This record gives sequence, structure tokens and C-alpha cells, in this order.
Amino acid sequence: GAVVSQHPSWVICKSGTSVKIECRSLDFQATTMFWYRQFPKQSLMLMATSNEGSKATYEQGVEKDKFLINHASLTLSTLTVTSAHPEDSSFYICSAESGPTQTFGSGTRLTVV
Amino acid sequence: AQSVTQPDIHITVSEGASLELRCNYSYGATPYLFWYVQSPGQGLQLLLKYFSGDTLVQGIKGFEAEFKRSQSSFNLRKPSVHWSDAAEYFCAVGANDYKLSFGAGTTVTVRA
Repeated sequence: GAVVSQHPSWVICKSGTSVKIECRSLDFQATTMFWYRQFPKQSLMLMATSNEGSKATYEQGVEKDKFLINHASLTLSTLTVTSAHPEDSSFYICSAESGPTQTFGSGTRLTVV
Repeated sequence: AQSVTQPDIHITVSEGASLELRCNYSYGATPYLFWYVQSPGQGLQLLLKYFSGDTLVQGIKGFEAEFKRSQSSFNLRKPSVHWSDAAEYFCAVGANDYKLSFGAGTTVTVRA
């Protein structure tokens, strides 16, 4: 079946630094990938839609200059949290589209100290 | 825009008992419907999906769901739960642009 690998699983960084999260579709190609943010005990909130070879589409209220998304190939999308602050601490999950179905990565726990 | 309501925030069920999780959706056209399960600190695993055809859908881990257009519902069921079914369950609806809207989730606790 379709597998999406997300790396790293967890990361701790200092306030003001940038962190990159990778999302790879291992056994299929994905024109579109999605990035979500999940707060504790809450549902997933879509941050942006990442399309291979073009600019990402961000949801309302998501700062595109803070959350940089690059989708350089059909199997890799990256999310870079720039100048991270403690309020950016969260669980970030990516997914890759395969028809109407999305396959999810295992998530990245980001803690900014 | 589509939306999903999961009326039950938390359900506790005894091991071996049946489980039903409710999901109501709002969408103007024929929806794509999904149930995902999430264990703590993990991503989401697809349990089952409905696109068209037979309204009773079988999924993994013994789960099934029934699409009822008249009630705008897509409830998830399992005849006999196992302790390993304790997790967070999310219902989601997708549109033609393949974006998903998730419900708030239902936490399932299984007691021995």
C-alpha cells in the first residue's frame, strides 16, 4: 500500500532558528501534498496545499513567510518553519494525495524552546 | 464548503462490546467520505472510505461504515472491540479538489 515517510519524528529547536520537515511518498508519486497542524486533543487543521512544481496554496490565516513549503519533486515536499517561536510548537502532519485518498505521514512533534 | 460533525467527544466501551461512532457531514454534492484512526503521537491511518456504490463499506481491523445520504451520515461500527482499538477516530469529507475537512474527533477508551 501507499506509504508516506515524514522526518524527523520530533525536533527541539531554539527560538529564532528554522526547522525543516520532510515528507516523502515512498512507493507512489504525488502531485499534491498537504500540510496539517494539530494541537493537543484537537483535530487537524489544513495549513497549505503543496503542488509539485508550483507555489503552495496557503489556508486563510497561515503565514506563508513563516511556513515555507517546497515541492520540488513528485515524491518530496518540505515544510520549513522559519524563525520559530514557542507558539509554533505543535504536531505537524503531512499527507500525499493518491486520487481522492490521502495517505498520512507519522507526524513531527516540534518543540521550540 | 464541506464540514463534518462528530457529536461524541469521548466514548468508553467494554472490551468485546460493540462500538458505533457517529459522523454527520455537510456538502452540496456527492462527498468522498473517510474514517481515519490516530494513536497517540502518530499520524492517521485510513480505516475505510466511501466514494460511490454500495453504501455499506468494509474496512480494516473489522470496521465497517454505512453511508446514508438521507441523513447525511457516515457512522462507523465494529461488532466487538479489542483493547487495541483505543485511539482517536476522525471522520473526514473530501471534495473534488481532494482537500479534506475533518471532524473534531472521537476518543475511544476500551475498558477491560
